[in-house]
Amino acid sequence: EVQLVESGGALVQPGGSLRLSCAVSGFTFTAYATTWVRQAPGQGLEWVSAVSGSDGSTHYAESVQGRFTISRDTSTNTLHLQLNDLRVDDSAVYYCIRGADSSVWSYFEHWGQGTRVTVSS
Amino acid sequence: QSLLTQPPSVSGVAGQTVTISCSGTSSNLGAGYYVHWYQQLPGGGPKLLISGNTDRAAGVPDRFSGSKSGTSASLAISGLKADDEADYYCQSYDGSVRGWVLGGGTKVTVL
Repeated sequence: EVQLVESGGALVQPGGSLRLSCAVSGFTFTAYATTWVRQAPGQGLEWVSAVSGSDGSTHYAESVQGRFTISRDTSTNTLHLQLNDLRVDDSAVYYCIRGADSSVWSYFEHWGQGTRVTVSS
Repeated sequence: QSLLTQPPSVSGVAGQTVTISCSGTSSNLGAGYYVHWYQQLPGGGPKLLISGNTDRAAGVPDRFSGSKSGTSASLAISGLKADDEADYYCQSYDGSVRGWVLGGGTKVTVL
């Protein structure tokens, strides 16, 4: 069974940093793309970042480029998202997702339950 | 403004068919990229509903169907049930932003 379990969400001040983690199981980590999507309170879904399963190439939405960094630890089957220079409008539930194949442009086949990030002073 | 436009809400009585539109542009749906659909039940996380324009995900009843033509796509729900009350999102790749884009979501209400 595919499982994605996020952690690391917290309340942080503007300008602060946070590291989100996603423990994955039930599939070969390097065979599938993994992605972060966020949802601000009462709002829709926004794609944030993705990493390719095969070559580990990374991609970012313009809104987070240069502030967020996606990475994966294949020894522990964990996906990370480092959030720096956080802004109030980064507040959201962050979902970890497994793609349908190794391409970052494959659809979002499995979703985690999300972890909440609140940026406020 | 989202590159994929959905109506904020649609409603219907139980048993009826409702259709959710997803209007794109020449850089996403019009460029031939697939549309995918996700369902988010109240209080829950999203789940895959339809991929590749028309392919239902495992376990999704055939009351749900997807279509795409040109710069537009649609999700139809026939035989509407109370359990179908949820938010629905369309998704596609966009060549102008070189990334995923998602519609603003449509809330389905069963009257």
